[in-house]
Amino acid sequence: DAGVIQSPRHEVTEMGQEVTLRCKPISGHDYLFWYRQTMMRGLELLIYFNNNVPIDDSGMPEDRFSAKMPNASFSTLKIQPSEPRDSAVYFCASSPRTGGYGYTFGSGTRLTVV
Amino acid sequence: QQPVQSPQAVILREGEDAVINCSSSKALYSVHWYRQKHGEAPVFLMILLKGGEQKGHDKISASFNEKKQQSSLYLTASQLSYSGTYFCGTESINNNDMRFGAGTRLTVKP
Repeated sequence: DAGVIQSPRHEVTEMGQEVTLRCKPISGHDYLFWYRQTMMRGLELLIYFNNNVPIDDSGMPEDRFSAKMPNASFSTLKIQPSEPRDSAVYFCASSPRTGGYGYTFGSGTRLTVV
Repeated sequence: QQPVQSPQAVILREGEDAVINCSSSKALYSVHWYRQKHGEAPVFLMILLKGGEQKGHDKISASFNEKKQQSSLYLTASQLSYSGTYFCGTESINNNDMRFGAGTRLTVKP
C-alpha cells in the first residue's frame, strides 16, 4: 500500500485566497483525521470522519474551514478565505478503526499564507 | 483535554536511558506513542490498551497505568536514530478521536 497520500506537499498563497488540501487514506481504513501542527499549538485535531461521515468537527477553528469526504478514498480540507495565521503543516491520518489501532499519517502539506 | 507530557526536552549520550511521561485528566481507553523526525510525519510506535499493560519495540517499551491515567515510554541504550520528538496520544473512554500531548524533544548525541 502506498500509505496515506496528501497533496500538495507545499502551498504558498496570498491572504484571502482559497486553499484546498487533499488526502487519500489507506484503502480499508474507515477513519480519517485532519490535524494541524504549529509550534505554538502542537498537533490539533480539526475534524474526523467515520465511513465518510463527519463525526466531530469541534476542532475546526472557524467557518472559514470546511472538510468533505465524498467517498472512501478522498477527502479535502478547504480554507476560504485564507489568513496568515492559518500557516501550518496540515496532516491527514487514517486508521482501520479507533480503540486499538495506530494511525498512519500522510507526509503533510506545509501551508504558508502571505 | 490534551494529555500532559514531561519532560519537554531531553538530551542524551548514546547508550543512555530516558523516560518520557504522559498523563491525562480523563479516563483513558488507550495510549498511543509516536515519533516525529524533523520535517516528517509522526510515525506510530505502539499502542497500549489495558491497565498495567506493557509493550516493547526493540529497546523502546512503554507502560500504561489505567487507574492513574498515566503512561511512560522507556528508551534504553539510546541510539542516534532515536532522536526526534515523541508524542503521546490518548483516546478517552467516551470519544473515538485521539488528542496529542505537546511532545518531548529527544536529542541523542554521539
